[in-house]
Amino acid sequence: GQSLEQPSEVTAVEGAIVQINCTYQTSGFYGLSWYQQHDGGAPTFLSYNALDGLEETGRFSSFLSRSDSYGYLLLQELQMKDSASYFCAVRDRSGGFKTIFGAGTRLFVKA
Amino acid sequence: DADVTQTPRNRITKTGKRIMLECSQTKGHDRMYWYRQDPGLGLQLIYYSFDVKDINKGEISDGYSVSRQAQAKFSLSLESAIPNQTALYFCATSDPRNTGGADNEQFFGPGTRLTVL
Repeated sequence: GQSLEQPSEVTAVEGAIVQINCTYQTSGFYGLSWYQQHDGGAPTFLSYNALDGLEETGRFSSFLSRSDSYGYLLLQELQMKDSASYFCAVRDRSGGFKTIFGAGTRLFVKA
Repeated sequence: DADVTQTPRNRITKTGKRIMLECSQTKGHDRMYWYRQDPGLGLQLIYYSFDVKDINKGEISDGYSVSRQAQAKFSLSLESAIPNQTALYFCATSDPRNTGGADNEQFFGPGTRLTVL
């Protein structure tokens, strides 16, 4: 089967850097995505990694190591508005390339 | 702006009632999904459809059914609602043509908060 693990909560200070880790188990890994969700809102797409390495988009970067079944989301220059839940999601070839989401990491940014 | 909309946004119903949640999109995407979100459990895939003639079960399809009436419309039904179906329901769309065939970016509607008493 498929499973994803990520920390349930992370707390950091405004202006700091935070890393949210994700480890996964899947039979047909195709790619790893990250989504952000503010309270009461819909998830919004942040990034996608299909190949090993780092992808950078502004203050956010995402990393993937397929050999380690591991990825992380790196948030730099944290702002209060970054307080939200962050979900990693695995795209899996089995079952028609459906996407499986992790349980999410709640990020609290303190002043 | 091209968008994903869901109706109703909130619904309270009683055990045993039939409920339909509707999703419409103006993005022109072929692929549509229904997810359920419970606190602390992330998003669980209920059903997905890659085109009008294609319907697939997700992780938690028991107790749910779907209908893909057109490219733009994908409805989720609870034939006989039960209290443990109380959750936040999201519809999403994606288009592999936009993402090099990887279909990695999904666009979510605002959600429907369903309470079953």
